[in-house]
Amino acid sequence: AQSVTQLDSQVPVFEEAPVELRCNYSSSVSVYLFWYVQYPNQGLQLLLKYLSGSTLVKGINGFEAEFNKSQTSFHLRKPSVHISDTAEYFCAVILYNAGGTSYGKLTFGQGTILTVHP
Amino acid sequence: DTAVSQTPKYLVTQMGNDKSIKCEQNLGHDTMYWYKQDSKKFLKIMFSYNNKELIINETVPNRFSPKSPDKAHLNLHINSLELGDSAVYFCASSQKGLILYNEQFFGPGTRLTVL
Repeated sequence: AQSVTQLDSQVPVFEEAPVELRCNYSSSVSVYLFWYVQYPNQGLQLLLKYLSGSTLVKGINGFEAEFNKSQTSFHLRKPSVHISDTAEYFCAVILYNAGGTSYGKLTFGQGTILTVHP
Repeated sequence: DTAVSQTPKYLVTQMGNDKSIKCEQNLGHDTMYWYKQDSKKFLKIMFSYNNKELIINETVPNRFSPKSPDKAHLNLHINSLELGDSAVYFCASSQKGLILYNEQFFGPGTRLTVL
């Protein structure tokens, strides 16, 4: 079984401050890892993904995330946030087996609401 | 052009009614999905179709029936609507869901309210 835990349901931060949104997963097999952003009343947009290779991945809008296999974490970071970053952020995983088949089943965390204050 | 579109955007209906939500993608993708986002914003997959064939069917009441007339469309029909069905339903598509990973593109969502 796999699960995704986002440790903070809400993160308030001031503009231009750094932010980290935490995500941990549990799985006994290999996973792909993702961060999605949902702006108010909109659908989900992919921020970044980790499939393989370098554990530090860079995404859109200045976000980056680091895959830490030993800690089973995939925390999202941005060194300086803007008001426009206010949104809900979802961490997600896809489980895949040794044969490479995944069926594309995304499992999402509970979401973290990032609120950037002026 | 909208890549993944859903209609309607809002749907308000009475308990016991039957309703459908339509989804279309113009990306040429083979795989489409339905997700449900509940009032606590928890997102969970419901169904997935690959080239009109059902490949993922989570534990969903059989009042929910997906229909894929062709690989560009995946509609969701819900019979005998209940209060607990109130949620935002997202459609998504990806190039191939069966082999490795391909990015899923999400539609704007349909907010269903059952009174």
